[in-house]
Amino acid sequence: SQQGEEDPQALSIQEGENATMNCSYKTSINNLQWYRQNSGRGLVHLILIRSNEREKHSGRLRVTLDTSKKSSSLLITASRAADTASYFCATDRGDYKLSFGAGTTVTVRA
Amino acid sequence: KAGVTQTPRYLIKTRGQQVTLSCSPISGHRSVSWYQQTPGQGLQFLFEYFSETQRNKGNFPGRFSGRQFSNSRSEMNVSTLELGDSALYLCASSPGTGGKETQYFGPGTRLLVL
Repeated sequence: SQQGEEDPQALSIQEGENATMNCSYKTSINNLQWYRQNSGRGLVHLILIRSNEREKHSGRLRVTLDTSKKSSSLLITASRAADTASYFCATDRGDYKLSFGAGTTVTVRA
Repeated sequence: KAGVTQTPRYLIKTRGQQVTLSCSPISGHRSVSWYQQTPGQGLQFLFEYFSETQRNKGNFPGRFSGRQFSNSRSEMNVSTLELGDSALYLCASSPGTGGKETQYFGPGTRLLVL
């Protein structure tokens, strides 16, 4: 079974707009990671946030983590056509595996 | 450094056959993990190896097995293939020393079972 659930399942935005997606999980974690996947290819790591962190930034990406609510959000600002992809959250519980959510498919329209 | 490589990239097999997939991790990485991705089940963890030892295994039948060699390269094997085994199989590597660990994924092997 999957640890995380993502919301929304799909998102369509105009170039230049911001995209926000959410991830909820069920059990305590060591860290939470976000990955991007383009058209059924391999996953690319975007950002990792530890359980004792609340917010992290990387370029146009902003991730928040609320361990009390067991949820995280990924914000992509000023979206570009190249941001069109599926985005996955993954939780690390320190058991040598990542548990992935179902993913959010983002389409950026020119 | 070269990234994670997986061979073959595409594979077509028939039911009942077996298949072996290979993964070469990033140089210096000692942990290799395998994941299965399907439209219905999403990304599911198969197993993780570190220094030739399996440290965790996902909820898959015994037809799915793996191993890791002394040079950290890993193989996974699926015997008696079923139609439902059609999937993208992803390999990921990391240093394996624990704690905050980013996984570096390969491009995947797409397996089609007919």
